[in-house]
Amino acid sequence: DIVMTQSPDSLAVSLGERATINCKSSQSVSHSSNNRNYLGWYQQKPGQPPKLLIYWASTRASGVPDRFSGSGSGTDFTLTISSLQAEDVAVYYCHQYLSTPPTFGGGTKVEIK
Amino acid sequence: EVQLLESGGDLVQPGGSLRLSCAASGFTFSSYAMSWVRQAPGKGLEWVAGISGSRGTTYYADSVKGRFTISRDNSKNTLYLQMNNLRAEDTAVYYCAKDQGEWLLSWFHPWGQGTLVTVSS
Repeated sequence: DIVMTQSPDSLAVSLGERATINCKSSQSVSHSSNNRNYLGWYQQKPGQPPKLLIYWASTRASGVPDRFSGSGSGTDFTLTISSLQAEDVAVYYCHQYLSTPPTFGGGTKVEIK
Repeated sequence: EVQLLESGGDLVQPGGSLRLSCAASGFTFSSYAMSWVRQAPGKGLEWVAGISGSRGTTYYADSVKGRFTISRDNSKNTLYLQMNNLRAEDTAVYYCAKDQGEWLLSWFHPWGQGTLVTVSS
């Protein structure tokens, strides 16, 4: 199984400042046939289901504000919130869908400083 | 609008059984793979099982293999999860989630609201 490791476990950021979340996979999630990175990011607010933010490591899902961006390739990925808003308080998960079983990172809790 | 609505969660004793349902609408259900993902209280996300679209090929996490069965009724636009021999560690909110194509291995979008399964005596 591909193990996904997120860091940090939590972070507190001031409103308007940048938040950076890292995700590392135990093996590459880049497919050799198309060079795509099979990596997604989700946001989960308390009492709600996860919501898709990013797929293919860097493609924003429909309706996601452009302050959210994804980057990285191979085994190392980053989710960046460029200017943290109050509504961004949530837990964020990375997810690899290259191979079965699909696996998730442990989550990163983002709070306001 | 794509909608997923889970039901069937309940309090059940260890060793008991439960069947979850997920009613889908707003898309051609038979054309898409579907998955169940669970979240234990205060914990992260764990994929449980998945099923392809029209062929119904199934996949399971090792933690549930042999105890859980995923199935679908494309005529009723409904996904199921039959859970047998339940254990305390199966306690979680169970979400159904839509894949992006006929086969598994894509991002999950959208997710249902979830249904709570509690295994306790």
